[in-house]
Amino acid sequence: DGGITQSPKYLFRKEGQNVTLSCEQNLNHDAMYWYRQDPGQGLRLIYYSQIVNDFQKGDIAEGYSVSREKKESFPLTVTSAQKNPTAFYLCASRREAGAPNTEAFFGQGTRLTVV
Amino acid sequence: GDSVTQMEGPVTLSEEAFLTINCTYTATGYPSLFWYVQYPGEGLQLLLKATKADDKGSNKGFEATYRKETTSFHLEKGSVQVSDSAVYFCALVNTGFQKLVFGTGTRLLVSP
Repeated sequence: DGGITQSPKYLFRKEGQNVTLSCEQNLNHDAMYWYRQDPGQGLRLIYYSQIVNDFQKGDIAEGYSVSREKKESFPLTVTSAQKNPTAFYLCASRREAGAPNTEAFFGQGTRLTVV
Repeated sequence: GDSVTQMEGPVTLSEEAFLTINCTYTATGYPSLFWYVQYPGEGLQLLLKATKADDKGSNKGFEATYRKETTSFHLEKGSVQVSDSAVYFCALVNTGFQKLVFGTGTRLLVSP
């Protein structure tokens, strides 16, 4: 079945560590997105990518980095510069970034906790 | 910029009650509109969508009509079930833009 797979489901990070969240899709979608979800704040866009080897900052990119070396993969690194990384992270993809009538498909999310 | 405003939650209903969750948007041009649902600990799932004015999206008993004159896309269901308890997000994508813009979400709690 086609879909988006995020791993791990739960992740614990020590202060000062970088951690990488995985996102893989087999839908052959061009566009991929990373969102952060905090209680009561909805979804905030971290980074997005319209095509391989290209990505743009979203609304809250500070302390995060991404890469898009393959169409199916869009990993997110949470660096030590992110002061409050504890949150639920969601990855999504869309068939085409520029086609407004195409919906996004979401992964199951990764819950990151700083210990 | 584009934005989506949803009613504050939680919305608390008894089983078989009528549901309305309000959603209004601000956008230039002709955006496409979406409702997503999120169950506890999971990602978002598309519930329904509408891509032009006066379109009605429907799925699993839920409906929403794209009203350009009032810039609204309210979600309705005639008879809710306990299993409908979840967080509902209204969202839009505008022509020429690449980003999905989400509302803050509305939590629905349905009691037996």
